[in-house]
Amino acid sequence: EPEVTQTPSHQVTQMGQEVILRCVPISNHLYFYWYRQILGQKVEFLVSFYNNEISEKSEIFDDQFSVERPDGSNFTLKIRSTKLEDSAMYFCARGQGEGYEQYFGPGTRLTVT
Amino acid sequence: KQEVTQIPAALSVPEGENLVLNCSFTDSAIYNLQWFRQDPGKGLTSLLLIQSSQREQTSGRLNASLDKSSGRSTLYIAASQPGDSATYLCAVSGSSNTGKLIFGQGTTLQVKP
Repeated sequence: EPEVTQTPSHQVTQMGQEVILRCVPISNHLYFYWYRQILGQKVEFLVSFYNNEISEKSEIFDDQFSVERPDGSNFTLKIRSTKLEDSAMYFCARGQGEGYEQYFGPGTRLTVT
Repeated sequence: KQEVTQIPAALSVPEGENLVLNCSFTDSAIYNLQWFRQDPGKGLTSLLLIQSSQREQTSGRLNASLDKSSGRSTLYIAASQPGDSATYLCAVSGSSNTGKLIFGQGTTLQVKP
């Protein structure tokens, strides 16, 4: 199973600060995803990214969030002004789209104080 | 709206037992169902992917079945070992064409030596 790496593994930030979470997936996959898991809760879909565009986003993914693939390899999730409730594990995943297996990274634990 | 439920929420068994984890989903129009393993504080490891046209998939001591019409899947673990202790998540895709996954809340398994 090819790897997905995520950096940092743990990020602590103060409320109102901007954070950027990074993911390096295998480049031959077409779809990239971000999910989050608040402690003790379900894993939730945030956004899918295909052909350098957002293909779908959830109601959680509001104007505070953005994604991009700035250099063709790294895939980033930016939260512009963090809130306490953004504290969660954020997972990057990659796949080939509908009907295909998804592979997840190890996650970034974001703690907003 | 697709909802995924897993029962039981937690399970504790002695080593060597065979066990079954259950997953149900409300909308039978799925493309596939994926089972994951999650160790505490870690990412998601894909265990098995079942396409909607399939009835079951096997990998080693794991066997997953799918009854799409009734909205159910089971994960059978044979001859459980302490190393199987983890949280098991099921997730379905099919509510969009991007492959986004809708997760259950997981079953936390403890296998006692």
